Amino acid sequence: ETGVTQSPTHLIKTRGQQVTLRCSSQSGHNTVSWYQQALGQGPQFIFQYYREEENGRGNFPPRFSGLQFPNYSSELNVNALELDDSALYLCASSLESGPSGANVLTFGAGSRLTVL
Amino acid sequence: GNSVTQMEGPVTLSEEAFLTINCTYTATGYPSLFWYVQYPGEGLQLLLKATKADDKGSNKGFEATYRKETTSFHLEKGSVQVSDSAVYFCARNSGGSNYKLTFGKGTLLTVNP
Repeated sequence: ETGVTQSPTHLIKTRGQQVTLRCSSQSGHNTVSWYQQALGQGPQFIFQYYREEENGRGNFPPRFSGLQFPNYSSELNVNALELDDSALYLCASSLESGPSGANVLTFGAGSRLTVL
Repeated sequence: GNSVTQMEGPVTLSEEAFLTINCTYTATGYPSLFWYVQYPGEGLQLLLKATKADDKGSNKGFEATYRKETTSFHLEKGSVQVSDSAVYFCARNSGGSNYKLTFGKGTLLTVNP
């Protein structure tokens, strides 16, 4: 059973640029969630994808967008990068089993983005 | 709204000392509660969870009890090891689904030999 893998592990961008981060979910999982973890802070929920559609969103602007593919892998896209977007971006997968399910998130190691 | 407040660190202990990391949550709905651990350079790993009041989650010698009356979920371990050095995050879910978690700010634990 493979875990959640993310790429790239580190990247540096400049203000105004766009970035795409990728995530392969754990085998058998059908949902992907993305979190932003600023330095010294806890992760903050960005959004979740289930059946290739956005299924919930946190307090992030529309320039944060995502995709989920038929194989359940996912991308996070951020346009018009700002300095405050510098953070560790975590992908987590889970098996959606309904509102009463005890599904648990499995996190990847993250992609560390630095915006200069 | 939903929030989680946990004891700010850093916490430094000697090996075999007793550990407590406090965590309280807002009493909105009937959340499930979690402790995640993040080792240096790694993603978050689920340490333990509890889904309803009075449940006790436990794993690797760590324990936490879901206390609805005090809206708390404190993490404890009777005898810490150097390998327990990491950042610990308390979290709650919302909306009845476990994918949207609200995390505390994290507590850095350092255990010295």
